[in-house]
Amino acid sequence: DQQVKQNSPSLSVQEGRISILNCDYTNSMFDYFLWYKKYPAEGPTFLISISSIKDKNEDGRFTVFLNKSAKHLSLHIVPSQPGDSAVYFCAARTVTSGTYKYIFGTGTRLKVLA
Amino acid sequence: DVKVTQSSRYLVKRTGEKVFLECVQDMDHENMFWYRQDPGLGLRLIYFSYDVKMKEKGDIPEGYSVSREKKERFSLILESASTNQTSMYLCASSYPRREKETQYFGPGTRLLVL
Repeated sequence: DQQVKQNSPSLSVQEGRISILNCDYTNSMFDYFLWYKKYPAEGPTFLISISSIKDKNEDGRFTVFLNKSAKHLSLHIVPSQPGDSAVYFCAARTVTSGTYKYIFGTGTRLKVLA
Repeated sequence: DVKVTQSSRYLVKRTGEKVFLECVQDMDHENMFWYRQDPGLGLRLIYFSYDVKMKEKGDIPEGYSVSREKKERFSLILESASTNQTSMYLCASSYPRREKETQYFGPGTRLLVL
């Protein structure tokens, strides 16, 4: 039962264009969403997050949009750069036993072509 | 900067061996997590801990146990390694905050069980 889904395993985008990565979730109790970026042979690093009470959060080239009614999250990268090539994971937070727990999606491999 | 270190980057073990994976964080974080990452499955939570000597099962705890004797150290134990435990193991830590909580990941341990 995959509560957080990233239906596109890979995406290729031309340098300078917009990259849009999507994430769908099923649990309406998730209260916080995050995007992580992962390079090969490294651990994931935090990129951007959004609370469930907001619908948009922006940080430089990165913007996360949340559509609660559709249970859909997206990450926009504009303009895309070759250094953005990595695997991107979305994650959703829930509370278990009084502490926070994260559910991760399966990841989308982004390739930005120079 | 938060630093999460894992004892080994690469490990090769034989079926039936007892395997210890160590994780240390230097930011006095309350929460620590063990995940495994597999192609097409994303990051799946094995165990987490929200305090010394406290542990909670994640989504796939079978075949694993954990130990947290000190706040900075969280160990994952494979009691009797099997080939289906060949994977990338990622440790993470976080300080529980309602807003802007993020997890900090170690570089990962790639385990091969023969």
